[in-house]
Amino acid sequence: DTEVTQTPKHLVMGMTNKKSLKCEQHMGHRAMYWYKQKAKKPPELMFVYSYEKLSINESVPSRFSPECPNSSLLNLHLHALQPEDSALYLCASSQGTGFYGYTFGSGTRLTVV
Amino acid sequence: SQQGEEDPQALSIQEGENATMNCSYKTSINNLQWYRQNSGRGLVHLILIRSNEREKHSGRLRVTLDTSKKSSSLLITASRAADTASYFCATENNAGNMLTFGGGTRLMVKP
Repeated sequence: DTEVTQTPKHLVMGMTNKKSLKCEQHMGHRAMYWYKQKAKKPPELMFVYSYEKLSINESVPSRFSPECPNSSLLNLHLHALQPEDSALYLCASSQGTGFYGYTFGSGTRLTVV
Repeated sequence: SQQGEEDPQALSIQEGENATMNCSYKTSINNLQWYRQNSGRGLVHLILIRSNEREKHSGRLRVTLDTSKKSSSLLITASRAADTASYFCATENNAGNMLTFGGGTRLMVKP
């Protein structure tokens, strides 16, 4: 399996809702990432997990809460989001050796209403 | 935060022509990578060049890296309509735990 699987593909949520994004990989990659991408902009790093531990948080608001239950699974819990949080949320994984590229999922298109 | 800039921001060419995209970055890097993105979905890794390499080829792709100028270029030869996409360069930091993207080039290849 050489894929990163993200669910759901689309999500519409209200500003008072709580929802979660899920990301899964079975390539044995030791590092997993969450990126946020606005339309016609490059992806921006949000969080990095290395060996299931949070290693980088790019000053992301606390309404985004990441979780890594095991080495194959990464979640992003969402609560009290704002309309400006609407974006494509991308998950990625890597071996972390510097010799190989990152593998990205197809993303979750999030709309906050 | 964005690592650097890409130019051009948009490029329109005819099928069969070559496409060249340039990327500049700001900090010391472990490697530089190029990705393709179709219609705002997931990114596909195209090629990786390490900081001690100057040129790399993969099929119709040729990447150069000049660490003294902190710049890279991606050349796509004999372009096809299927190459129409956004192309991003991304740099991995020396710790190997962070990938930062440039602004991207939107390429349109007309049949």
